[in-house]
Amino acid sequence: QVQLVESGGGLVKPGGSLSLSCTTSGFTFSDFYMSWIRQAPGKGLEWVSSISTSGATIYYADSVRGRFTISRDNTKNSLSLQMISLTAEDTAVYYCARRLSGTQFFEYWGQGTLVTVSS
Amino acid sequence: EVVLTQSPGTLSLSPGERTTLSCRASESVSSNFLAWYQQKPGQAPRLLMYGAFSRATGIPDRFSGSGSGTDFTLTISRLEPEDFAVYYCQHYGNSQCTFGQGTKLEIK
Repeated sequence: QVQLVESGGGLVKPGGSLSLSCTTSGFTFSDFYMSWIRQAPGKGLEWVSSISTSGATIYYADSVRGRFTISRDNTKNSLSLQMISLTAEDTAVYYCARRLSGTQFFEYWGQGTLVTVSS
Repeated sequence: EVVLTQSPGTLSLSPGERTTLSCRASESVSSNFLAWYQQKPGQAPRLLMYGAFSRATGIPDRFSGSGSGTDFTLTISRLEPEDFAVYYCQHYGNSQCTFGQGTKLEIK
């Protein structure tokens, strides 16, 4: 079955950096766009970034553009998110998600990894 | 960017009742790019409806979607205890994705 497992979350100081990973299994990773979506504590969902199957096309939310970098390794079935210049507003659970085939909607989600930005 | 406004913020209902959740877009959008998700506490969201009208795999037929232009609705025909959760609408367009702020459906 499809599995998405995020890792790399933790406590980081303002201005610091962190790298998240999403390890996948149960599907042909290279066939699907992948995305990161976050949720601040007690708040709603915020799309962060998406990457095409080959990695050639990348999209970012305005709130993270220039600070976050999404990437993928199709040989390792993994997705990454490198984050720099973190602020308290980046504190959230970060989910990786796989699109429903042929659509722009998120069919499979990981369990999330918590990033806390605090001094 | 399309802004999605969901209403009401919270809905208090009893099992067995019928309910309609609203999602209003800041500009006219294609129903092809509108989806609904359900999220329970401590869990990741689950895709319910996509393309405004299509149910995702495994979603019971008590869930249905409708709407066009700027106004979309998610209807649950008969609430089951497991339906009490937070519901989000989502739009994709111009390489950007936005979510509504959510409607919390709670047991009365």
